[in-house]
Amino acid sequence: QSVLTQPPSASGTPGQRVTIPCFGSRSNIGSNTVYWYQQLPGTAPKLLAHTNKDHRPSGVPDRFSGSKSGTSASLAISGLQSEDEADYYCAAWDDSLNGVLFGGGTRLTVL
Amino acid sequence: EVHLVESGEVVVQPGGSLRLSCAASGFTFDDYSMTWVRQAPGKGLEWVSLINWDGAATFISDSVKGRFAISRDNNRNSLYLQMSSLTIEDTAVYYCAKGGNSIWDGFDHWGQGVLVTVSS
Repeated sequence: QSVLTQPPSASGTPGQRVTIPCFGSRSNIGSNTVYWYQQLPGTAPKLLAHTNKDHRPSGVPDRFSGSKSGTSASLAISGLQSEDEADYYCAAWDDSLNGVLFGGGTRLTVL
Repeated sequence: EVHLVESGEVVVQPGGSLRLSCAASGFTFDDYSMTWVRQAPGKGLEWVSLINWDGAATFISDSVKGRFAISRDNNRNSLYLQMSSLTIEDTAVYYCAKGGNSIWDGFDHWGQGVLVTVSS
């Protein structure tokens, strides 16, 4: 069971803004940058966003943004498009485990 | 352009050993940490191991500790994962990914993945 907790599913309609949460603890989200990955069916994950607001991954539309507060983080997707239908994962370093944690993933459906 | 290419698909018997390779190009390999992440069929992403730029620091998931070892050859721009005592639970697509200049900067480029099947 992942120590980073995400809802298994989320949905929205085209043009809508959706947010995907990721819940952790002081040793991971509370202490380190959180990264978000998008995985389209049958492909490798792609870096989408992170909670360091001073830098955005190159080539990623500004519709995607990451933020965090305390021990939780979230990915916001604005202007939802059909091609955003994918699995989304959060990830953070954990100071207690001395390793990387991934959330269980959230499958986003565009209705 | 960054390219990461893992070795080809393989089938190995339970209890067997295997070494995965990842050939890197398009960036200064010895400036960056590297990692292995795996994904069992139909499941989510699971971090396996990470190595810093010069190989002096390695980190490994408890789920594979004592069985897997990460290494790198900066002269060959290559990353490796030595896997032993394999079980059917190790069946997964294994991805190599490029990190940042420090231990935790996320993973900004990923290989296409290699399917490792542990089966008798």
